[in-house]
Amino acid sequence: QKEVEQDPGPLSVPEGAIVSLNCTYSNSAFQYFMWYRQYSRKGPELLMYTYSSGNKEDGRFTAQVDKSSKYISLFIRDSQPSDSATYLCAMSLFQGAQKLVFGQGTRLTINP
Amino acid sequence: GAVVSQHPSRVICKSGTSVKIECRSLDFQATTMFWYRQFPKQSLMLMATSNEGSKATYEQGVEKDKFLINHASLTLSTLTVTSAHPEDSSFYICSARGDGGDEERGSPDTQYFGPGTRLTVL
Repeated sequence: QKEVEQDPGPLSVPEGAIVSLNCTYSNSAFQYFMWYRQYSRKGPELLMYTYSSGNKEDGRFTAQVDKSSKYISLFIRDSQPSDSATYLCAMSLFQGAQKLVFGQGTRLTINP
Repeated sequence: GAVVSQHPSRVICKSGTSVKIECRSLDFQATTMFWYRQFPKQSLMLMATSNEGSKATYEQGVEKDKFLINHASLTLSTLTVTSAHPEDSSFYICSARGDGGDEERGSPDTQYFGPGTRLTVL
């Protein structure tokens, strides 16, 4: 069993829709949860991070962590074609941890 | 924001040759850099952690004699794929770790990723 599971998609939605992206994980020791966006043939860029459980909002993006269920989500409101990319969740054990564990990534397409 | 560059962006080589990939942090010093490999439609797999001035730490299953890592300065790490074979064809991405973050705010050490290098071994 992989430490982090993420549905690879592809996921295709119309412009303006609300997008929900999810990851599950098996290691209850993970404390930092991140979402990265990766455009084709580019390196990932950090979108959001969350420490422990709870919600965090940044503009059109909301990250949720449910540690009891070992489940994290990223919501994108009012989705735009420019949001089309691969979204990767990543987790680490503690601040300063050397290793990030990534999900497989979900390929998202927003259709105009 | 912090910028990490990689060179070359794309390389095609013959089987048996060695290929060197450079990773540079352009506007910050990075004591720690990471090398990842990403196969098509798969996630990033950490290959090794590179600390300036010391030997790299390799992940289980990664051959250190095949993937040579040198972190000679606070802004440059290199990955050399020695005696490359077609199965080494992949997208290689480096990242450099920024500042220590803020424990009260819960911000992690941030890894800034390079744009990646696509290696094709014929």
